[in-house]
Amino acid sequence: QVRLVESGGGVVQPGRSLRLSCEASGFSFRTSTMAWVRQAPGKGLEWMSLIFYDGDNKNYADSVKGRFSVFRDNSKDILYLLMNSLRHEDTAVYYCARGRGGGSFDHWGQGTLVTVSS
Amino acid sequence: SYVLTQPPSVSVAPGETASISCEGDNIGRKSVHWYQQKPGQAPVLIIYNDDDRPSGIPERFSGSRSANTATLTISRVEAADEADFYCHLRDTTSDRHIFGGGTRLTVL
Repeated sequence: QVRLVESGGGVVQPGRSLRLSCEASGFSFRTSTMAWVRQAPGKGLEWMSLIFYDGDNKNYADSVKGRFSVFRDNSKDILYLLMNSLRHEDTAVYYCARGRGGGSFDHWGQGTLVTVSS
Repeated sequence: SYVLTQPPSVSVAPGETASISCEGDNIGRKSVHWYQQKPGQAPVLIIYNDDDRPSGIPERFSGSRSANTATLTISRVEAADEADFYCHLRDTTSDRHIFGGGTRLTVL
C-alpha cells in the first residue's frame, strides 16, 4: 500500500536551515507529483510546494518562495524540502502528500514537527 | 490571491445531514477536493474532482458545486464523523494550491 514517511523535523533557531525528507513506498514514485503541506499549531492546512515527476517543474507558495526548495531523488524514492532562513511562523507540522490528476492529494504522511525557536 | 471561505464550525445531531460550504470566486469552474482531519491525524481525501469518492469512503459523503460555492454533504451523520474538514483546489491562474480555512464538524 502507499506509504509516506516524513523525517527531519525538530527544534531549530530562527535564521537556520533544516532539511525534511519523505520516504515513499508502495507506488511508482518516479511518475508521481508530490507536495508539501504544513499546519501550524491549532491552524489550518497551508500548501507549501509541488514538484512534478521529473523534478524539473516546481511551484511554491509566496510565503516560502526564495527560502524553501523542494527536490526529489527518484532513484531512492525520497522527496526533500530544504528550508532556509527559518522564521518563528514556519513552526508547523509538515506533511508530504502524493498528487493525483485533477490536483487532489490522495495520500499523506503522518507529518514531522518543525519548531523554530531561540 | 484566490481565497476559499468556509464556516468555522457546523453542528449536527446524529442521523441528520451536515452541509459544509466552501465559497470562492467562480469555484464552479474549478475542481474542488475535500479532506477530513481528525485530531492528531493526517488529512484524508474524501472527495476529489467535486463529487468523486476514493475507494473506502462511505457513500454518505458527497460533493456538489454551484457557481461560487462548493458543498460537502454528510448524510446520516455519525459520532465518528466529528473532525475538521477542508476544501482545496488548484488555482490555475496563479498555479498555486489553495485550502479553505477549515470547518470543525461537531456531532451533538
